[in-house]
Amino acid sequence: AQSVSQHNHHVILSEAASLELGCNYSYGGTVNLFWYVQYPGQHLQLLLKYFSGDPLVKGIKGFEAEFIKSKFSFNLRKPSVQWSDTAEYFCAVKTSYDKVIFGPGTSLSVIP
Amino acid sequence: DVKVTQSSRYLVKRTGEKVFLECVQDMDHENMFWYRQDPGLGLRLIYFSYDVKMKEKGDIPEGYSVSREKKERFSLILESASTNQTSMYLCASSFIGNQPQHFGDGTRLSIL
Repeated sequence: AQSVSQHNHHVILSEAASLELGCNYSYGGTVNLFWYVQYPGQHLQLLLKYFSGDPLVKGIKGFEAEFIKSKFSFNLRKPSVQWSDTAEYFCAVKTSYDKVIFGPGTSLSVIP
Repeated sequence: DVKVTQSSRYLVKRTGEKVFLECVQDMDHENMFWYRQDPGLGLRLIYFSYDVKMKEKGDIPEGYSVSREKKERFSLILESASTNQTSMYLCASSFIGNQPQHFGDGTRLSIL
């Protein structure tokens, strides 16, 4: 069965620290990959997406992610986090027949 | 701007009741999805639909059914509500193919 795992359940960082959130998936076919963010009290929003081409994709608010096909990974990065990045982050995989599976999420707390 | 509207933000029902959660999108999206979101488990797919009157089971369909009579509306039905169905329910929609999902604000359902 397809699945998505995220390495960390809860991450706590100080402002200006660098961020990397891990995501791995299990699915043998062609995938589209997404990172979504959910700020406190808000609905999920798209951060960035990968469909094809350059495996390093840039999203909103300074986030980027790298697709490594051989490792089935799609890790999210940001060089310097801000207090406003405090949120829950979800990795998601869309399979070839449009089914979308989410990881369990990583809660990020940024301390001013 | 895409709008996905869920009929209620908060809902309280009793065990054994039949519960209807409604979702409407205004962007002519083919795909619509129902997830439940629980702490530590992320978003789990209940059902999705890729066309009117078409539906596919997700990862946790037991105890739920869905209805898609019109393209813009996707209903989730709890046939006989139980306390373990207390959760946040999220509706999403998307175009087919390489397109991200757009989410509603969620319905927090409590079954007493």
